Amino acid sequence: GAGVSQSPSNKVTEKGKDVELRCDPISGHTALYWYRQRLGQGLEFLIYFQGNSAPDKSGLPSDRFSAERTGESVSTLTIQRTQQEDSAVYLCASSAESGQMNTEAFFGQGTRLTVV
Amino acid sequence: AQKITQTQPGMFVQEKEAVTLDCTYDTSDPSYGLFWYKQPSSGEMIFLIYQGSYDQQNATEGRYSLNFQKARKSANLVISASQLGDSAMYFCAMREIYNFNKFYFGSGTKLNVKP
Repeated sequence: GAGVSQSPSNKVTEKGKDVELRCDPISGHTALYWYRQRLGQGLEFLIYFQGNSAPDKSGLPSDRFSAERTGESVSTLTIQRTQQEDSAVYLCASSAESGQMNTEAFFGQGTRLTVV
Repeated sequence: AQKITQTQPGMFVQEKEAVTLDCTYDTSDPSYGLFWYKQPSSGEMIFLIYQGSYDQQNATEGRYSLNFQKARKSANLVISASQLGDSAMYFCAMREIYNFNKFYFGSGTKLNVKP
């Protein structure tokens, strides 16, 4: 596709269940980011991928959160044993990592996660 | 300390008027880049404009311009001739040369354009 695609767009889950959020970046983009956006707040960095490697996982809030990327393409963010505090919009972005400071990140529409 | 501070949670502007959205940043890196994104109610993030720390001139992109004051560490977005479609959340973001992989985002400013 032409842009970053995320699925599902909305997810309602029961507390304690596991969820998987998917991101399809722009083809050829080597850098991939996950952010969390709580209601009315800014973007909170979760994890960064360069290719299939995650050199920066510093933003993952707990060991219930994990992410992987395969084929230098699709990425999956997994939240285990979801809690109500996990309710947020999860945004994925990709970037043609050229090493240039002005390379912007392109964002998907996000997955709105609601934990009930 | 916050890397990016946006002190205006919400703003109103009359259609066709100009509006300035404030952004201050905190970094000690010698090189950095500043970005502004627009987030309409649909949720996607739309890149608007970029300013590099070594750029001599303020960035401009159509109706968007960036009032970059390096000594004050501010990078305010100016939208000229506001349109109803400009109503959205606006986020200021920064990446630093020594932490290149991260985009730091502010908390955003919600702009409402009144007809």
